[in-house]
Amino acid sequence: AQSVTQLDSQVPVFEEAPVELRCNYSSSVSVYLFWYVQYPNQGLQLLLKYLSGSTLVKGINGFEAEFNKSQTSFHLRKPSVHISDTAEYFCAVTLTQGGSEKLVFGKGTKLTVNP
Amino acid sequence: KAGVTQTPRYLIKTRGQQVTLSCSPISGHRSVSWYQQTPGQGLQFLFEYFSETQRNKGNFPGRFSGRQFSNSRSEMNVSTLELGDSALYLCASTPNRGANYGYTFGSGTRLTVV
Repeated sequence: AQSVTQLDSQVPVFEEAPVELRCNYSSSVSVYLFWYVQYPNQGLQLLLKYLSGSTLVKGINGFEAEFNKSQTSFHLRKPSVHISDTAEYFCAVTLTQGGSEKLVFGKGTKLTVNP
Repeated sequence: KAGVTQTPRYLIKTRGQQVTLSCSPISGHRSVSWYQQTPGQGLQFLFEYFSETQRNKGNFPGRFSGRQFSNSRSEMNVSTLELGDSALYLCASTPNRGANYGYTFGSGTRLTVV
């Protein structure tokens, strides 16, 4: 069964510093991978997704992620963060069972950008 | 294009009561999925509806149910509420079945059971 591990529950960084949020997944089959962001009192917003093709995926708000099949990772990066990037970030992988798909989410990483 | 609309945004209910939450997907989206988000368990899949039929169900007791109407709007119902049902309930829609489309989420309904 697919599962998702987000290795850091909290990541504090200073404004304009680079950041990497780590995500590992376990699956024996091809998967689709996603990163979502959740601002306080909001739903989830899709940042980017990997379906196939190029392993470097660019998303909104300057974020990008790299799919690494050998390391079963899908880490999210941003070269220079802003205060407004403070939010919780969720990595997700598709789980296919009995012909139906659903998203399985990691526990989330709270990114805090300090001035 | 309007996003996914969930109503109400906030709800306070008493233990033992029942509650109905509503979700209107993006126009043209036919698949609706529901998730429960709690600090302890994170995001957990409840069920998926497509063409008015439940296509997939998570590991929740039978007190949790849902339905989808012909216009793709969906409702979920929780009967005999327990304190542990307090959570943010999120609805997501996709044009068709398949996660490759990328789910669009609503802002959620925050349910508090007292």
